[in-house]
Amino acid sequence: GAGVSQSPSNKVTEKGKDVELRCDPISGHTALYWYRQRLGQGLEFLIYFQGNSAPDKSGLPSDRFSAERTGESVSTLTIQRTQQEDSAVYLCASSLGGAPRGFFGQGTRLTVV
Amino acid sequence: AQRVTQPEKLLSVFKGAPVELKCNYSYSGSPELFWYVQYSRQRLQLLLRHISRESIKGFTADLNKGETSFHLKKPFAQEEDSAMYYCALLPVSNTGKLIFGQGTTLQVKP
Repeated sequence: GAGVSQSPSNKVTEKGKDVELRCDPISGHTALYWYRQRLGQGLEFLIYFQGNSAPDKSGLPSDRFSAERTGESVSTLTIQRTQQEDSAVYLCASSLGGAPRGFFGQGTRLTVV
Repeated sequence: AQRVTQPEKLLSVFKGAPVELKCNYSYSGSPELFWYVQYSRQRLQLLLRHISRESIKGFTADLNKGETSFHLKKPFAQEEDSAMYYCALLPVSNTGKLIFGQGTTLQVKP
């Protein structure tokens, strides 16, 4: 596609359930990033994939969070046993390498009730 | 510690007035600095980065290493500039982890 695509746009889930968030990067972009934005706060780095290198997972807030990426394609962010504090907008970005200079998805708004 | 501080949550100015969105950073090395913008109901997008020394939509930002600042400026604000602005730092040693400030909402009144 023309840009980074995320699905779903909105997700409401019950506390304790697992959720999967999907990101389709721009074709050919080797780097993919996940960020989280909680209400009234800035963006928090979660995880970074670069090609076939081991991902930088240093931003994942707990072991309930995990992410996968197959090659240079789709990535899935999984949150297990969701908690109310997981409610946020989850943003994905992709780039040819280095910082996500301009290509962000529209985000997935996750609400845990 | 690596940190980006945007001291103002909201900046409200009248159309035609000068604008300065403040950004201070904490980093011991030579980082790369960015400004991102998010207009209402649109996705986050890059506005400018310090290494380009460019002017985008009339905005400029100069990196001041002595003051560890990267303030965003525009001499004459327009209503269409109303948006959320984020300052971000990319530590040179890590190519993936942008560190964002909390953002400043710019409101330009007619």
